[in-house]
Amino acid sequence: SAVISQKPSRDICQRGTSLTIQCQVDSQVTMMFWYRQQPGQSLTLIATANQGSEATYESGFVIDKFPISRPNLTFSTLTVSNMSPEDSSIYLCSVEDGKKQAGDGYTFGSGTRLTVV
Amino acid sequence: AQSVTQPDIHITVSEGASLELRCNYSYGATPYLFWYVQSPGQGLQLLLKYFSGDTLVQGIKGFEAEFKRSQSSFNLRKPSVHWSDAAEYFCAVAPKGFQKLVFGTGTRLLVSP
Repeated sequence: SAVISQKPSRDICQRGTSLTIQCQVDSQVTMMFWYRQQPGQSLTLIATANQGSEATYESGFVIDKFPISRPNLTFSTLTVSNMSPEDSSIYLCSVEDGKKQAGDGYTFGSGTRLTVV
Repeated sequence: AQSVTQPDIHITVSEGASLELRCNYSYGATPYLFWYVQSPGQGLQLLLKYFSGDTLVQGIKGFEAEFKRSQSSFNLRKPSVHWSDAAEYFCAVAPKGFQKLVFGTGTRLLVSP
């Protein structure tokens, strides 16, 4: 399965600032996703990062708050903009790299633990 | 509405006892089904998955899960729990025709001596 390098692993940020999280994959993958895990909660999909086009956002998430880039098949970034304490969460990158069929190989990065003060 | 339900928020099991974690889904067609484990401060690890075929799926760490179409369930089981199994367990589905994963709310497993 694919190996994901996610950076930074953690950060403490001031409210009103922005943080960009990077997700690097060791092989080309079709699908890349960004999830948020709020403290003590499950994972919620923020958006699907599409190579060469705008990301597809889930209900409740908007591009102005969570801009996403995906310049190629191995890399994506998620920016958390104008942060507030409510944005304190773990943000995870995920890829779907199944060669045989969709869903065969979901892999997750180790996550970015963000604290906004 | 399409959803994934894990009815048990917390479960406490004695070490050596058997375990069953429940997962129910509500989708028009049978989705792809997954169980993940997240240990404190750790990332997500895939335990097992079901796409089709044999309804009893074997996974890592001695876990298994059984798909029951009539009950729209995919329950996770382990015959003998070890203290190291204490973690958060997530059921997830990938609706066929889509490729994103939708997660249940999670079940926190506590293992008592």
